[in-house]
Amino acid sequence: QKEVEQDPGPLSVPEGAIVSLNCTYSNSAFQYFMWYRQYSRKGPELLMYTYSSGNKEDGRFTAQVDKSSKYISLFIRDSQPSDSATYLCASKGTSYGKLTFGQGTILTVHP
Amino acid sequence: GAVVSQHPSWVICKSGTSVKIECRSLDFQATTMFWYRQFPKQSLMLMATSNEGSKATYEQGVEKDKFLINHASLTLSTLTVTSAHPEDSSFYICSASTGMEADTQYFGPGTRLTVL
Repeated sequence: QKEVEQDPGPLSVPEGAIVSLNCTYSNSAFQYFMWYRQYSRKGPELLMYTYSSGNKEDGRFTAQVDKSSKYISLFIRDSQPSDSATYLCASKGTSYGKLTFGQGTILTVHP
Repeated sequence: GAVVSQHPSWVICKSGTSVKIECRSLDFQATTMFWYRQFPKQSLMLMATSNEGSKATYEQGVEKDKFLINHASLTLSTLTVTSAHPEDSSFYICSASTGMEADTQYFGPGTRLTVL
C-alpha cells in the first residue's frame, strides 16, 4: 500500500465548476500536507500547505485535512481552463522530513 | 520569491556519455536540495537529498555512483548522470527548501534527459 493514495483521474469539468481533488494517506506520523500543481513538462508549483487538521483558503483554492480519517482535499471554485494541470498531494511527518507524493490527478477544465 | 532554476531544460546524449544538470535557488539560500525523477504520467520519485558541504543521502535503490550529486554552495546543486543509458531517460526535477514555513520545497522547471 502506498503511503499517499490519489486517484489519477483524469477528471474533466466545465468552466466555472467546483472541483474536488482528494488523497488518502496511511502514515499517522504525517503532519504537513501540501498541494502542488504541475503543468505539462514543467516542475511542480506549490499551491498550499497545511499543518495538521483544518482548513486553509487562498483565493479560489481551499485545502482541507481531516487527520481522523487521513483524508486530504483540495477544492477549486470557479474553475478556469488555466487550472487544467496535474495536481499532486504530498505529505511529510516533520518539518524537515522528505515529502511523499501521491500519484497526481489530471484535471481538464473545458470552456 | 522562492525561484528555482534548472539548466539545461532539455538534453539529448549518446549512450555511455555523462550529463550534468544544474539546480540553482535564485533568490534564497537553500538549506537542503532534493533531486527527483519522474516518468511519464507518474509521480515524483525522490532520488537523493543533499545539504551544502556534505555528502548526499540517496534513497534505497538509487545508485550513488551513477547519479553523482554535488552541493557546492547554498544556491547550487548539480546532478551528474554518469555513463548514461537509454533507461536513464526521464524527467529530472530538483527542489530547494528554504528552512522556513514548514521547510517548504520549491521546485525547478525540470530537465528532460533523452539518452540515445
